[in-house]
Amino acid sequence: AQKVTQAQTEISVVEKEDVTLDCVYETRDTTYYLFWYKQPPSGELVFLIRRNSFDEQNEISGRYSWNFQKSTSSFNFTITASQVVDSAVYFCALWGGGADGLTFGKGTHLIIQP
Amino acid sequence: DAGVIQSPRHEVTEMGQEVTLRCKPISGHNSLFWYRQTMMRGLELLIYFNNNVPIDDSGMPEDRFSAKMPNASFSTLKIQPSEPRDSAVYFCASSLGALGTHTQYFGPGTRLTVL
Repeated sequence: AQKVTQAQTEISVVEKEDVTLDCVYETRDTTYYLFWYKQPPSGELVFLIRRNSFDEQNEISGRYSWNFQKSTSSFNFTITASQVVDSAVYFCALWGGGADGLTFGKGTHLIIQP
Repeated sequence: DAGVIQSPRHEVTEMGQEVTLRCKPISGHNSLFWYRQTMMRGLELLIYFNNNVPIDDSGMPEDRFSAKMPNASFSTLKIQPSEPRDSAVYFCASSLGALGTHTQYFGPGTRLTVL
């Protein structure tokens, strides 16, 4: 069975600090997809990024960047120069296309203090 | 443009009653997803449709749950009979393509309470 581990339950930093959210996964599939989602305090869900297992290029979108490393089975998310609006719960997820469906991590609650 | 529309936004019902949640995806999107979020189980993908056909329903909890997508602009998630453990927020999302290939856009969610 596949598994996603977000070991950091809660992270608190001061605004403008850089912060990295860890995501480690386990799967036997050779083709799979990884995702990050954001859930602000208002409760809505926001889809941030998808990555397939054949694309190990890091991605940058503004202050957000993602580091995918198959060798360590990790897909970490970094926010540069954090802002209060980045405060949210962030979920990492894995989909192998098989019977395990889409597996979510338990989420990391990120608190950005002004 | 309208985003993903879900109705109702809140639903309170009694155990044993049938509950129907509705979702209208973004026009032109051909994939639709139903998610559930609870404190105990976290976030789960219940079912995923592509071109109105269920592709992955491995997350559907049991026979009490059923989902349909009769056309490209409408989907329902039905629970019959409902139980208190079904209380959750149910999110619908849509995207231009298959899971893993395109960005998903979420609706505001339906908060279901089963007494």
